[in-house]
Amino acid sequence: DQQVKQNSPSLSVQEGRISILNCDYTNSMFDYFLWYKKYPAEGPTFLISISSIKDKNEDGRFTVFLNKSAKHLSLHIVPSQPGDSAVYFCAAPTGRGSTLGRLYFGRGTQLTVWP
Amino acid sequence: DGGITQSPKYLFRKEGQNVTLSCEQNLNHDAMYWYRQDPGQGLRLIYYSQIVNDFQKGDIAEGYSVSREKKESFPLTVTSAQKNPTAFYLCASTLTGMNTEAFFGQGTRLTVV
Repeated sequence: DQQVKQNSPSLSVQEGRISILNCDYTNSMFDYFLWYKKYPAEGPTFLISISSIKDKNEDGRFTVFLNKSAKHLSLHIVPSQPGDSAVYFCAAPTGRGSTLGRLYFGRGTQLTVWP
Repeated sequence: DGGITQSPKYLFRKEGQNVTLSCEQNLNHDAMYWYRQDPGQGLRLIYYSQIVNDFQKGDIAEGYSVSREKKESFPLTVTSAQKNPTAFYLCASTLTGMNTEAFFGQGTRLTVV
């Protein structure tokens, strides 16, 4: 049972344009979300996160939006660059307080940015 | 520099053999995780451990075993009972507590020959 879903396996965007990667979740107890970026044959690296007390978090070219009522979040990359080409994973942890619990990951979206 | 180290990067195993993948972290993180990545499957959780000498099964624990004798180390053994062991294995660690991120190792590519 996928608690975090990324329904688009791939996205192709021209350099300089906006990339929008989407993520849906089913567990209403999730209150923190993370995005990871992964290149082939490497481990994922943390990109940006958002807490459920916010609806937007921005870091340079990357912005994550959270719509709690729709159980949906999205990652916007503006402007997109060829180096952004990678697999992007959405993730959410269980656990509260001092116990982190486990991370649930979506299946990832392969972003390709072409010149 | 602090980090999480997986070794080896590439590993070949004959069918029927057990093999152990190493994961070490010097970040003083409490929790450690093992994930498996297959094409189109994303990251699937095998085992995780939040404290020394304790660990829990993830979603696909069958055919795998782990130990957590030290805070820094969380080795994963792929046993001969794992029916499809060829995959990319990722180890991660986190601090416990709210709103923390997981740090990942560089992964081990296991191929059964």
